Amino acid sequence: KQEVTQIPAALSVPEGENLVLNCSFTDSAIYNLQWFRQDPGKGLTSLLLIQSSQREQTSGRLNASLDKSSGRSTLYIAASQPGDSATYLCAASGNQFYFGTGTSLTVIP
Amino acid sequence: DAGVIQSPRHEVTEMGQEVTLRCKPISGHNSLFWYRQTMMRGLELLIYFNNNVPIDDSGMPEDRFSAKMPNASFSTLKIQPSEPRDSAVYFCASSTTPKETQYFGPGTRLLVL
Repeated sequence: KQEVTQIPAALSVPEGENLVLNCSFTDSAIYNLQWFRQDPGKGLTSLLLIQSSQREQTSGRLNASLDKSSGRSTLYIAASQPGDSATYLCAASGNQFYFGTGTSLTVIP
Repeated sequence: DAGVIQSPRHEVTEMGQEVTLRCKPISGHNSLFWYRQTMMRGLELLIYFNNNVPIDDSGMPEDRFSAKMPNASFSTLKIQPSEPRDSAVYFCASSTTPKETQYFGPGTRLLVL
């Protein structure tokens, strides 16, 4: 069974700092890797999707990378803002869909 | 587009009662997913449909849970009888295909007393 791990569970940074969130998965036979954002009491919002044939995807201040061989993905957030405060989840998609438990990010003004 | 619509947004019921959660996917999306989120277990896939057909229901916890998708614009998740351990937030999501970006609804917060 695929296991998806996100470390750290929580992260607090000052506004303006660049940061990296980590996601690791045990089974490299994935179709894609997705990053989501979840605000308190809300549903998930898709941020980036990386197909298994791709190495990275970029959207604005966000950049996600994928290294299937090592079972890792990272989400890079540039110039963090207080509005980036949320829980970030990654999900590995193979024959099933497995989510990590998320990293709770707080950006301090 | 209105996005994925779920109802009700909140449900409080007593143990043993039947609970029905509803979902309307984004128009044109052929895949629909039901998830459950708890503090203890995180986000778990319960079942997903493609073209109204259940593809993988291995995440459905037990026979008390059932899901249907009678047409492309409507799905239900039913719990009968409900138990306190079913208390969670239930999300519905849809996508154009099972491998593409999933769009989540706002969730139904279920509390079973």
